[in-house]
Amino acid sequence: AQKITQTQPGMFVQEKEAVTLDCTYDTSDQSYGLFWYKQPSSGEMIFLIYQGSYDEQNATEGRYSLNFQKARKSANLVISASQLGDSAMYFCAMREAPRAAGNKLTFGGGTRVLVKP
Amino acid sequence: NAGVTQTPKFQVLKTGQSMTLQCAQDMNHEYMSWYRQDPGMGLRLIHYSVGAGITDQGEVPNGYNVSRSTTEDFPLRLLSAAPSQTSVYFCASSYEPGTEAFFGQGTRLTVV
Repeated sequence: AQKITQTQPGMFVQEKEAVTLDCTYDTSDQSYGLFWYKQPSSGEMIFLIYQGSYDEQNATEGRYSLNFQKARKSANLVISASQLGDSAMYFCAMREAPRAAGNKLTFGGGTRVLVKP
Repeated sequence: NAGVTQTPKFQVLKTGQSMTLQCAQDMNHEYMSWYRQDPGMGLRLIHYSVGAGITDQGEVPNGYNVSRSTTEDFPLRLLSAAPSQTSVYFCASSYEPGTEAFFGQGTRLTVV
């Protein structure tokens, strides 16, 4: 069974500073994928970034980067230059490998980020 | 462009009632899934589909049925609603494994 752990239930960050959200995972698969989603107070799920287990370089998307440490089974999200609009819940999720499993995602419990002006 | 559309957005049911949550996507995605999100928690997979006519159970399937007669639609049926099914339900679709899953806006369901 897969498991995603986000150990930070909530955190404050000062506007314009960087913040790192922790995510560790547990899987016996060799091929897997890791996602980060943002959920603002309005409730929608917004895709931020994806990292495949065989990707050699860490994924980056604008102000978001994923610090992927395969040996440690961690996939931390780094948000640079935080903005007030970054205040939200952030979820780490993992996809199972077999194609027959579709795009099933297992989610962590989330980290609530509050950006202070 | 609609993306993933869920209806209704809000619903109140009495214990024992049945209903269907609708999900439709216009992106020709093969992969579709239903998740539930309980307060303060992450999403948990209820059922998923890898194409028309193919469905399977996720982590928390009890009390729910699905079918996939077309690529576009993936309805979720609550057979006999229970207060434990009070939750926010999300439908998601994706082009293939490892690609972004597009989520609907969610359906907030309350069972009294």
